[in-house]
Amino acid sequence: DTEVTQTPKHLVMGMTNKKSLKCEQHMGHRAMYWYKQKAKKPPELMFVYSYEKLSINESVPSRFSPECPNSSLLNLHLHALQPEDSALYLCASRQNQGASIIYGYTFGSGTRLTVV
Amino acid sequence: TQLLEQSPQFLSIQEGENLTVYCNSSSVFSSLQWYRQEPGEGPVLLVTVVTGGEVKKLKRLTFQFGDARKDSSLHITAAQPGDTGLYLCAGLSGNTGKLIFGQGTTLQVKP
Repeated sequence: DTEVTQTPKHLVMGMTNKKSLKCEQHMGHRAMYWYKQKAKKPPELMFVYSYEKLSINESVPSRFSPECPNSSLLNLHLHALQPEDSALYLCASRQNQGASIIYGYTFGSGTRLTVV
Repeated sequence: TQLLEQSPQFLSIQEGENLTVYCNSSSVFSSLQWYRQEPGEGPVLLVTVVTGGEVKKLKRLTFQFGDARKDSSLHITAAQPGDTGLYLCAGLSGNTGKLIFGQGTTLQVKP
């Protein structure tokens, strides 16, 4: 299995809702990432997990709460979002955080989030 | 702070034309990657260039890494509508595992 699977593919939520995004990989990668991407812009790093521990938080608002229950699974819990949080949320993984870049990043297809 | 400047940001061409996308930095990168992203999908890795002066070919795509490892280019020969997408260059920053992206080039190839 060489994929990163993200669910759901599309999500519409109200500003008072609580929802979660899910990301799963079975490649044995020990570094997992959440990115946010606006249309025609590059992905922006949000969080990095290394060996199931939060390694980097890029000053993301607390309405986004990441969780890494095990080495294959990464969640992003959403609460009280704003319309400007509407974006494509991408999950990625790689062998480990300090690995050579030649090992590359594998990205999921993303969750298209719309906040109404 | 390491930055990657990508140009042009938007490119609309006819099928069959050639094009080049540039990725430049004032900093040295140990390696650079190029990704292609289609609408509604995640970025897909095209190539990683590691050695200064390196040239890699992927069918009609040619990737170069500058001798000083501060710049890279992507050249597409005889572009096809299937080449349409967002092209991103990216470099790894230190040992943090942070991937630094250029601003991206949105390519539209018209039939």
